[in-house]
Amino acid sequence: DSGVTQTPKHLITATGQRVTLRCSPRSGDLSVYWYQQSLDQGLQFLIQYYNGEERAKGNILERFSAQQFPDLHSELNLSSLELGDSALYFCASSVAAGGISGYTFGSGTRLTVV
Amino acid sequence: AQTVTQSQPEMSVQEAETVTLSCTYDTSESDYYLFWYKQPPSRQMILVIRQEAYKQQNATENRFSVNFQKAAKSFSLKISDSQLGDAAMYFCAYNSPTGSQGNLIFGKGTKLSVKP
Repeated sequence: DSGVTQTPKHLITATGQRVTLRCSPRSGDLSVYWYQQSLDQGLQFLIQYYNGEERAKGNILERFSAQQFPDLHSELNLSSLELGDSALYFCASSVAAGGISGYTFGSGTRLTVV
Repeated sequence: AQTVTQSQPEMSVQEAETVTLSCTYDTSESDYYLFWYKQPPSRQMILVIRQEAYKQQNATENRFSVNFQKAAKSFSLKISDSQLGDAAMYFCAYNSPTGSQGNLIFGKGTKLSVKP
């Protein structure tokens, strides 16, 4: 157990639907990162939050949004889902904003859009 | 923008033998951090080893070591005495502490198979 908890582990939904992925960072970590892993695109950075504030944004679609709550857990909202959104979504956390000690990853949420 | 390249999509090694996975990166920064992550079939991303660019000494973690060549922008991972449990995808990653995005940039990965 890495200390980063992601729920659910698996999610199957239809095109056009909206889902929410949840992440609880490791205890003491203030930074949360979201990554999308697909076969053709590899690991793509989506967004980072640090202590409740958005810090960096990567290749995140406008249909996707995220937030970090006062208790530091984070949610990634994916709406108007398309088949191409099927992927493994990782949450990671680190103590500092820069993540120079490396990130601790959760076990991921496997999203399948049918 | 920084990029990370892993030129070996797949590698294979015999159990107990040594294997080296290659990684090159492109950056104009002088201070940065490099990582190797392992992703076994369980899909959990596990940090294997970390290297600070300002340190000339190569990092070592048990059977895992790196060959960091800063001028050549090369960061290879050597796995000694390979074990069946080493079979996984290995990702090289770059992190710039001074960049506008405090995030890890990953290579495409190398799939390592270990033959008994």
